[in-house]
Amino acid sequence: RKEVEQDPGPFNVPEGATVAFNCTYSNSASQSFFWYRQDCRKEPKLLMSVYSSGNEDGRFTAQLNRASQYISLLIRDSKLSDSATYLCVVNKKGSGNTGKLIFGQGTTLQVKP
Amino acid sequence: NAGVTQTPKFRVLKTGQSMTLLCAQDMNHEYMYWYRQDPGMGLRLIHYSVGEGTTAKGEVPDGYNVSRLKKQNFLLGLESAAPSQTSVYFCASSPRLEQFFGPGTRLTVL
Repeated sequence: RKEVEQDPGPFNVPEGATVAFNCTYSNSASQSFFWYRQDCRKEPKLLMSVYSSGNEDGRFTAQLNRASQYISLLIRDSKLSDSATYLCVVNKKGSGNTGKLIFGQGTTLQVKP
Repeated sequence: NAGVTQTPKFRVLKTGQSMTLLCAQDMNHEYMYWYRQDPGMGLRLIHYSVGEGTTAKGEVPDGYNVSRLKKQNFLLGLESAAPSQTSVYFCASSPRLEQFFGPGTRLTVL
C-alpha cells in the first residue's frame, strides 16, 4: 500500500463548478499535511497547509480527518487557471526535524470553459 | 532573490556517462532535498541534507551521490548513467517543513 494515495483523475469540470479531491495516508503518526499545486512541466508549489480544525483560503478549503487518515481539498467556483495537478503531502514517519515529506502521485484537474 | 535555481535545465546523456546537477538557494535554508519525478510515481526522495556538510539517503539513493560543501549549494552526481535514470529531477530547500522547489532538470539517458 502506498503511504499517500490519491485518485489520479483526471477530473474534468466546467468553469464555476465545485470539485473535491481526496487523499488517504497510511501512517497514523503523521503530524503535518499539505496540498501542493503543480502546473504542467513546472515545479510543485505549496497551495496550503492542512490543519486539524480545517482551513480555508479564498475558494479553497482543506480538511483533515485523523481518525480516518483522510485529507480533502475543496475548490469552489472553479477557474480555468485552477487547471493543474494537486499533490497531497504528508510528513514522513520518524522524520523528526529532517522535514522529509511524502508526496502523493497527484490528482489532475482540467477546468473547461 | 532568485529562490531555488537548478543547472542545467535539460541534458541528454549516453549510458555510462557521468554528470553533476547543481542546486543553489539564496534563502539561507538549512534543509535541502533532491527528488526525481516519473509518470505515475509521484515525487521520490533521492538524498537530502539537514545542514552544511551533512547528507543522508532517501527513498531511491542507488546510482546517485550528493555533496553539500556550502550551505547554499546541493550537488547531485550520477557516476554512470543508466536509462532507468531518465527522469525530471527537482531540488528543494526548506527552513523546516514547507519546501520550495527549483524549476527542475529534464534528464534523458540513451
